[in-house]
Formats: sequence, structure tokens, C-alpha cells
Amino acid sequence: ELKVEQNPLFLSMQEGKNYTIYCNYSTTSDRLYWYRQDPGKSLESLFVLLSNGAVKQEGRLMASLDTKARLSTLHITAAVHDLSATYFCAWMSSNYKLTFGKGTLLTVNP
Amino acid sequence: DTGVSQDPRHKITKRGQNVTFRCDPISEHNRLYWYRQTLGQGPEFLTYFQNEAQLEKSRLLSDRFSAERPKGSFSTLEIQRTEQGDSAMYLCASSLESIWLASSDTQYFGPGTRLTVL
Repeated sequence: ELKVEQNPLFLSMQEGKNYTIYCNYSTTSDRLYWYRQDPGKSLESLFVLLSNGAVKQEGRLMASLDTKARLSTLHITAAVHDLSATYFCAWMSSNYKLTFGKGTLLTVNP
Repeated sequence: DTGVSQDPRHKITKRGQNVTFRCDPISEHNRLYWYRQTLGQGPEFLTYFQNEAQLEKSRLLSDRFSAERPKGSFSTLEIQRTEQGDSAMYLCASSLESIWLASSDTQYFGPGTRLTVL
């Protein structure tokens, strides 16, 4: 059974600090997605990582993919309050189905 | 707004009633997906259409659930004889099939329909 595991599930950060969210998956894949969800809202696409070693950056967020280790990371640099949200990683199977992790609830405190 | 739209946004129903949700994908997208999300969890895949063909159904989709995409555009998800365990956010997503190997196949999600079964 495919498993996508994120950690930590809860993350409380101080503004200006750096931190990393980890996403492990149990089956090989060349497509790994990161989404953001604000409370009561739908999912917003952040990054898609298509190959081993891929790195994408947008503002204070940077995502990377290591297919050999079956690991993706989402690194947060100098966190600000606006980044408070739940972040999901998702693995795409060959039939285009996304399998999501449980999400990481990020709270950035002033 | 040219994103994925869903209707209704909220639905409260009594146990045993039937409900139907609608999803309008991004206009040129040929793939459409339904997911279900419960509190504190990630979305779980329910079913997937490519154009009008339903190509994949999750084991989560019991025989009380049926989905259609009759003309390859909008889709409906019907739940018959609702149960309290059906209470969840139902999310629709769409994507565009690409002939390019480097395609991202990114799925774009709608705002969801929150179902509450009393």
C-alpha cells in the first residue's frame, strides 16, 4: 500500500526563523506535488517536482526532490505570518491519482 | 474567474436523503477528479474522468456514490441514502493532458462542497 508520510504534522515557528518539512513516500515516483491550504479553503498548487534532484523556489519557500531516498522537502526561509497554513505533499501514480500526506499545520508567530 | 467551480459550497442534509454536487472544471481541461477530505486529513481520491470516460474508482466509492461527466465538461457526484460518515469536504480538481513528457499534470482544485449529514 502506498504511503505518504509528512513530518512534522504541527509546526510552530517564530517569524524570521528557518525550518524544513519532510515528505517520505513508499513507492518510486517522478512526480511530487506541494499544495497549500488555508483554513476553510481549497488547495493551492505551490510546486511540482518532476525529476530526481529537482529544486523549485518561490519567495520564501523552496522544494526539492530526491527520488532515490523517496524524500521531498519544503524549506521555509525567514518565515512570516502570511505563510501560516497547512502544507500537503502529494505523490502522483501512473494513473494520475494523487495520494496526499496528512499535512503539516504551520503557525508562524510574531 | 476561470478556475474550477463547485456548487453548492455548503450542503446540510438529513441522514437517508440523496444529494448531488456539481463541478465545472477549467474550460480546456480534459481530466476531472473527485476527492474527499475530512477534518485534519489530506484529500482522498474518489474517482477520475478523462473526457466523459470514468477511468478509475476508489474502493472508498461505495455503491451509494455515483459520478458522471456526460459531455466531458461538467461533472456531478451523487450520494444516495446519505450517512453521517459521509460528512466531509468534497473537492473537485481538473488538469490538462499534455503530449509532452515534461508535463506537470498539475491538478487545480475547486473551492469544495462541505457536506454535513445530520
